[in-house]
Amino acid sequence: DAGVTQSPTHLIKTRGQHVTLRCSPISGHKSVSWYQQVLGQGPQFIFQYYEKEERGRGNFPDRFSARQFPNYSSELNVNALLLGDSALYLCASSLRGSGNNEQFFGPGTRLTVL
Amino acid sequence: GIQVEQSPPDLILQEGANSTLRCNFSDSVNNLQWFHQNPWGQLINLFYIPSGTKQNGRLSATTVATERYSLLYISSSQTTDSGVYFCAVEPGSSNTGKLIFGQGTTLQVKP
Repeated sequence: DAGVTQSPTHLIKTRGQHVTLRCSPISGHKSVSWYQQVLGQGPQFIFQYYEKEERGRGNFPDRFSARQFPNYSSELNVNALLLGDSALYLCASSLRGSGNNEQFFGPGTRLTVL
Repeated sequence: GIQVEQSPPDLILQEGANSTLRCNFSDSVNNLQWFHQNPWGQLINLFYIPSGTKQNGRLSATTVATERYSLLYISSSQTTDSGVYFCAVEPGSSNTGKLIFGQGTTLQVKP
């Protein structure tokens, strides 16, 4: 079975631009979460979507938005990119929204903002 | 919010040595996972262990939820065990599945 997939793997943008990152969960999983990992730190929670509804949001500005599609894939959008948005963006897939619920991560998208 | 602390921050071992990594958390949790992050950034699931003890080959983990800590044991370490090990918890008060990560333990295994 395919694991969590993310695209693209790498991306270079300039300040002020917009970016869209994509994630496909494990087949049968209905929850997708997004995390940002800057160099030297643990991942930080950005969003969780479950059954196509936003279930949680971390401490990130409104420039960050996301959505989940009927096939449970998800997009993360970041507007007006800043240098500080340079990071590894990770997508996690799980069967349920919370509780007894193991999460599985994709390979990530490495975003560089120049 | 819940605090997750991992120790030690860095660990250097000779191949064949054993090690114990610790994760302390400040409140009740629904979920606790251990991950190994490889040099390419991929988080590899090691254990899903909100309580109890599990073993998988040379690795084992124990979570004592009532005392708010978890331990990851690595026996007979190999150079391929090098990388960053993260503990992550879902707070017991959460209904979002949000994982809170520790800062990680960076392990280097020398041949």
